[in-house]
Amino acid sequence: GNSVTQMEGPVTLSEEAFLTINCTYTATGYPSLFWYVQYPGEGLQLLLKATKADDKGSNKGFEATYRKETTSFHLEKGSVQVSDSAVYFCALRSGFGNEKLTFGTGTRLTIIP
Amino acid sequence: GAGVSQSPSNKVTEKGKDVELRCDPISGHTALYWYRQSLGQGLEFLIYFQGNSAPDKSGLPSDRFSAERTGGSVSTLTIQRTQQEDSAVYLCASSLQQYTYEQYFGPGTRLTVT
Repeated sequence: GNSVTQMEGPVTLSEEAFLTINCTYTATGYPSLFWYVQYPGEGLQLLLKATKADDKGSNKGFEATYRKETTSFHLEKGSVQVSDSAVYFCALRSGFGNEKLTFGTGTRLTIIP
Repeated sequence: GAGVSQSPSNKVTEKGKDVELRCDPISGHTALYWYRQSLGQGLEFLIYFQGNSAPDKSGLPSDRFSAERTGGSVSTLTIQRTQQEDSAVYLCASSLQQYTYEQYFGPGTRLTVT
């Protein structure tokens, strides 16, 4: 079956540090890959996505590249801010159309001023 | 426009009682999903509705859990004879059919079984 393995947290960084949160996946076929973010007290929201190999998703300074050869979708940001403090979830959906998401366990990120 | 709404936002119930959780999807969204977020299990899929097709119930953990979607819009997740391990945040999401992959999530219902 499908699975997502995500970097264990929590992660604590200083402001302006470089961020990487690792994510690898197991899936049949050609899944779509996602990063969702959950800010304190808020609901899950889509941060970025990639639907085929070598695609790069980007949003709010975050980037992730769909690497089929390494089955990875690592999240990166060059300079984090305090406002980036949140829980980040890597997820995949296999097939086309509207199907269920399989999530990683989540990584709690705290940015210190 | 209005996002996905869920009610109640918090629910405390005694073990053995039944509970109903409600989800109002974004207007026009034909796909609706229920997920559960718990400390021990992370975020897990429960059930998925797509238009008038039979729902995908493959994620429901036991026969105490059921869900329905009336008129292709509002959905209710029912948990019968609640157990302490049912304590979690129940999330609902909706998406447009075919034209987008994004699922929009509601704020969730936090269920506590005492």
